[in-house]
Amino acid sequence: NAGVTQTPKFQVLKTGQSMTLQCAQDMNHEYMSWYRQDPGMGLRLIHYSVGAGITDQGEVPNGYNVSRSTTEDFPLRLLSAAPSQTSVYFCASSYAGGRETQYFGPGTRLLVL
Amino acid sequence: EDKVVQSPLSLVVHEGDTVTLNCSYEVTNFRSLLWYKQEKKAPTFLFMLTSSGIEKKSGRLSSILDKKELFSILNITATQTGDSAIYLCAVSTSGTYKYIFGTGTRLKVLA
Repeated sequence: NAGVTQTPKFQVLKTGQSMTLQCAQDMNHEYMSWYRQDPGMGLRLIHYSVGAGITDQGEVPNGYNVSRSTTEDFPLRLLSAAPSQTSVYFCASSYAGGRETQYFGPGTRLLVL
Repeated sequence: EDKVVQSPLSLVVHEGDTVTLNCSYEVTNFRSLLWYKQEKKAPTFLFMLTSSGIEKKSGRLSSILDKKELFSILNITATQTGDSAIYLCAVSTSGTYKYIFGTGTRLKVLA
């Protein structure tokens, strides 16, 4: 099993550009989520999904969109990148949200100029 | 508003020392508390706690939960330089699918 994979590992964007961060898991997990991690802020939940076709907002959803068309994939879209979105982004998955530990991907480091 | 607070924010110790990391929480409908270790990249799971007073142990690491006083501690005995990391605490609640993370404790162990 590859576990949770994320691409790209690192990306530089200009303000206003859009892009998609990819996340995939091969563990047949129902629950997937996206976090951003900023210095001194811990992990903050952006969006999450409890199954294919079902998504919901987390703590900091503005400027981000998600969709869940399959169990395996949960892409995060930045619609119009801003410098405030410079961060490290982690995708995570688990069998059932809140009942089990999450498994994290390796992260994507994003720099918005 | 649900929140998780960790202390201290950072800690520097010498090899062989014992450390205690703290996590307090204020959430509605507590379900579980989780500890993670984060080195260079992704957080890795250490413990999940759901019941008060039952210690979870793995090697030199142990953790316990107090649901009455709303906190957990993570103990590391005989610290090694490989224990240097950020330790994250997260809480999940019943009825939602969200994990609320604290800001983490940065531990540095000097040789």
